[in-house]
Amino acid sequence: DAGVTQSPTHLIKTRGQQVTLRCSPKSGHDTVSWYQQALGQGPQFIFQYYEEEERQRGNFPDRFSGHQFPNYSSELNVNALLLGDSALYLCASSAAGTGDAEQYFGPGTRLTVT
Amino acid sequence: ELKVEQNPLFLSMQEGKNYTIYCNYSTTSDRLYWYRQDPGKSLESLFVLLSNGAVKQEGRLMASLDTKARLSTLHITAAVHDLSATYFCAVESYDMRFGAGTRLTVKP
Repeated sequence: DAGVTQSPTHLIKTRGQQVTLRCSPKSGHDTVSWYQQALGQGPQFIFQYYEEEERQRGNFPDRFSGHQFPNYSSELNVNALLLGDSALYLCASSAAGTGDAEQYFGPGTRLTVT
Repeated sequence: ELKVEQNPLFLSMQEGKNYTIYCNYSTTSDRLYWYRQDPGKSLESLFVLLSNGAVKQEGRLMASLDTKARLSTLHITAAVHDLSATYFCAVESYDMRFGAGTRLTVKP
């Protein structure tokens, strides 16, 4: 049973560029959440997708957007990259539709903005 | 706004010793999670605490939840080097709010 997978593993971008990160949830899970973890800090909630819609959103600007596909996989898009967007981006999946909110985290994508 | 505070933020302990990490949160919630993170790695789920008075144990780690005091503890018994990692508590409210983490180093 594959767990949560994310791609790519590492990414280097230049300020002002745009980036797309991808996440496939654990089998049987229907909900995907995205987090940003800056170095030395705890993860910060970006948003959560369920039934292809953004259900909750944290305190992140509109430059951060997402999408969930019918197969429950998800993308995180960040436009107009800033140096401060450099972080580990974590995807977590859960079976919230069944009432089980426990989240399982993927390995993360390390984004470096230069 | 939900705030989650962990202390201590840094903890250096000798092997064989006991210690407790504390997690305080500011608003009502009945779901609290503990995670472990090794350097450069993702988060590993340790415990899910769903009700007041919940206590869970796994090996040398034991977690408890007091929803009335808005406090969870992670107790380490007879620490070993393999427990060296960063430990996060997270509280579920509107979203999942994480503490800043406790960086634990266990020395021989």
